Amino acid sequence: AQTVTQSQPEMSVQEAETVTLSCTYDTSESDYYLFWYKQPPSRQMILVIRQEAYKQQNATENRFSVNFQKAAKSFSLKISDSQLGDAAMYFCAYRSARGTYKYIFGTGTRLKVLA
Amino acid sequence: GAVVSQHPSWVICKSGTSVKIECRSLDFQATTMFWYRQFPKQSLMLMATSNEGSKATYEQGVEKDKFLINHASLTLSTLTVTSAHPEDSSFYICSALGPGGVIAFFGQGTRLTVV
Repeated sequence: AQTVTQSQPEMSVQEAETVTLSCTYDTSESDYYLFWYKQPPSRQMILVIRQEAYKQQNATENRFSVNFQKAAKSFSLKISDSQLGDAAMYFCAYRSARGTYKYIFGTGTRLKVLA
Repeated sequence: GAVVSQHPSWVICKSGTSVKIECRSLDFQATTMFWYRQFPKQSLMLMATSNEGSKATYEQGVEKDKFLINHASLTLSTLTVTSAHPEDSSFYICSALGPGGVIAFFGQGTRLTVV
């Protein structure tokens, strides 16, 4: 069975600085998707970024980028120029490219942004 | 992006009664929807996967007779908590696989309090 691990329960970053959130996963599959979702205090889950496993190039979305290391099964999220609005819970998620399409979520990392 | 609307946002019900939560995909057709439960400061726990026109697939440990899921149309899935008890109080979240079937879009969540 697949698992997703987020080893940082909480992180803090100074406004305008850069922070990296860690995520590792375990799978025997070769074809899958990885995601980072943000859950602000409103609790609405919002997609931050996604990565297809077959793509070697790391995904980027404005200030958000990932470091995808397939062999190491690592998928970290880098937030550049952190803003107060980035404060939220961040969940790493795995989804197989086949089968039931279930999402498997990590335990989350709470990001605090300090003014 | 694709929009998923969940209703109600919060509900209080008496112990022993049933409550229905709706999840609608507003601007796309969703053949697959998911229902999650989230305890305070914890990750999302998948309860079941619903596919339009067929019976829902429940995760191990989830009582299918207590949490009734109906996915009668391509834009609507409902979760009915039957004979609710205080231990059913939680935050329930739905999501729907968007166009392309890769990305899951989430509803706003429903806070259920059983008194």
